[in-house]
Amino acid sequence: GESVGLHLPTLSVQEGDNSIINCAYSNSASDYFIWYKQESGKGPQFIIDIRSNMDKRQGQRVTVLLNKTVKHLSLQIAATQPGDSAVYFCAEKGAAGNKLTFGGGTRVLVKP
Amino acid sequence: DTGVSQNPRHKITKRGQNVTFRCDPISEHNRLYWYRQTLGQGPEFLTYFQNEAQLEKSRLLSDRFSAERPKGSFSTLEIQRTEQGDSAMYLCASAYRGGLNTEAFFGQGTRLTVV
Repeated sequence: GESVGLHLPTLSVQEGDNSIINCAYSNSASDYFIWYKQESGKGPQFIIDIRSNMDKRQGQRVTVLLNKTVKHLSLQIAATQPGDSAVYFCAEKGAAGNKLTFGGGTRVLVKP
Repeated sequence: DTGVSQNPRHKITKRGQNVTFRCDPISEHNRLYWYRQTLGQGPEFLTYFQNEAQLEKSRLLSDRFSAERPKGSFSTLEIQRTEQGDSAMYLCASAYRGGLNTEAFFGQGTRLTVV
């Protein structure tokens, strides 16, 4: 398969450990945020979303935290598995906008 | 598979040729987006449709690019007189406007290589 990104920040994590991926956004008017996972040669896959009226949301093995004060978003993956190896993107949408704006991505490598 | 479908998956073309890509969104989704992604970068917004109306276009979308969604279902993205800088992954996404959750679901993309 083709690599999604060759020069991305990389997080190496031991299988079974927890992963934390961070994202800073610039638009204080953004009101909706999504984390996507992208595997090599594939389109981005929706993981979890959060609205600006929340500061935490949990899914299956994933938690998203939103700190609007410092415009920071994080994705926590519990008990990271080899299948979690991918590039992760955060995306934001402004209150008046209709499109998602993506961040630069973080590559997660899970070591067995 | 009821997800977003894009065709072709790969396209190699000579510089100066025209290419057209197709996107079939999830059937009940009224919003359709086109994005472009180059290696090492996140997807960049190109344009979006609400039903058949093209409501927003990025400045990235030069006059060589045109997108249509004639019946509010599938969409096409055409690039005329392709240039090497057009080489990228072209992603389509669809979403349903009106629900509480407005997440966009992406297709697998069309990888364009201009030689």
